[in-house]
Formats: sequence, C-alpha cells, structure tokens
Amino acid sequence: DAGITQSPRHKVTETGTPVTLRCHQTENHRYMYWYRQDPGHGLRLIHYSYGVKDTDKGEVSDGYSVSRSKTEDFLLTLESATSSQTSVYFCAISESRLPTEAFFGQGTRLTVV
Amino acid sequence: QKEVEQNSGPLSVPEGAIASLNCTYSDRGSQSFFWYRQYSGKSPELIMSIYSNGDKEDGRFTAQLNKASQYVSLLIRDSQPSDSATYLCAVNTDHTGGGNKLTFGTGTQLKVEL
Repeated sequence: DAGITQSPRHKVTETGTPVTLRCHQTENHRYMYWYRQDPGHGLRLIHYSYGVKDTDKGEVSDGYSVSRSKTEDFLLTLESATSSQTSVYFCAISESRLPTEAFFGQGTRLTVV
Repeated sequence: QKEVEQNSGPLSVPEGAIASLNCTYSDRGSQSFFWYRQYSGKSPELIMSIYSNGDKEDGRFTAQLNKASQYVSLLIRDSQPSDSATYLCAVNTDHTGGGNKLTFGTGTQLKVEL
C-alpha cells in the first residue's frame, strides 16, 4: 500500500453513537478521499479534501463530516451512526490537481448495530 | 447522474485464455480512466490508467479506450488463477481540475479456472 494507514480496521458500534475513522498518509499527497463500498453500489465518494482545511462533499455525504488539520491526516466522522452506514470505508490519496492515479488504504469495516 | 456500467459477471475463463472486461460511461467530458483489481476482503489496487484513445499495454494487461463510443475495456492475456478477482472500472468525472474524484462501476468478477 502506498503509505496509507486506516484506523481502526474493524469497528462495531451502536446506533446513535458518534464514530470517527482516521486516514493517515506518509506520501505528502495533497488530495485525500473517503469512499464507502456496498454490495450493488460499488465505491461511492463521501467527502474529499484538496488541502489542509479544504474539504468538499461527494455524492453520499449526508450524515458524514470530515476534517483535515494536517496534510497527513483526514478524519471521517459519523455524528450519529445509523444502520445504513454499515459499510466498508476506504481512504484514498492522489498527488496533484491533475487527473492522476489514486491509491487506496486497507479499508475499515464498520458495523452499526 | 454520471454513471459507469459494468457487467457484474462472474466471467469465467480457462487458464491461459484472454479475459475481456468491458465498461461504459455516460459522461462525455471524462478524460481519465482507471482499472482497479480487488481481491475479496482487500482494497482496490490500481492496475491500469488510460487517458488517450487507443490501446495501452503493460505486461499481460491492455487497456483500450474509445471516447466516441464511451467505453473502456481491459484485456488480460494468458489469464492465471491469481487473476481471479473483481475488476473495477473508474472514471474521473470531475472536470474542474479538483484532483481525482472517481466514479466507479460495480465491478466484474473474474474467475480463471484450471
């Protein structure tokens, strides 16, 4: 993996609790992304960041917030987890503003019960 | 809605054969296209990128792009059992230059049989 670490790797949480997932990169890439992957839907973009404190919404952003206070860390927060947020979450990074390859972390499997 | 369509499969091919995976996309303005391989329970791994019409070869893999027809394909020559995985087609649908916001297909499962 291209210097991307996600934590935790697995988490089970209860409905209504807040959850924060962390993505840490050692590549000094500008762009970072959070995707979720669900059967029948493929990978869908939740939020992305194009620099420190610069973030924007993806196609499935409702119920999620993000923060990026340092180049290397991108946090995804579920303010009040719901069962529909049970999914596998992937962080990705890419280097420049030009279309180029994006590399993925190992994923976090989140189960909301 | 910017869509990327793939046949979910499974696509079964015998060992040593050519596997052909196809993908169509709806956004005519898309300029960059990617193929990822994903083993069960693992993260997507980039195997090919293609930006211009035509063919791009890398080892046993060939990506083909036809922007006029809005399709991109991946050929795997001399298929091996280790190629058995789900192959994800991804298209950059962001035309503002804001990095690499990708739209993914749901993937095609490939099975290479002995």
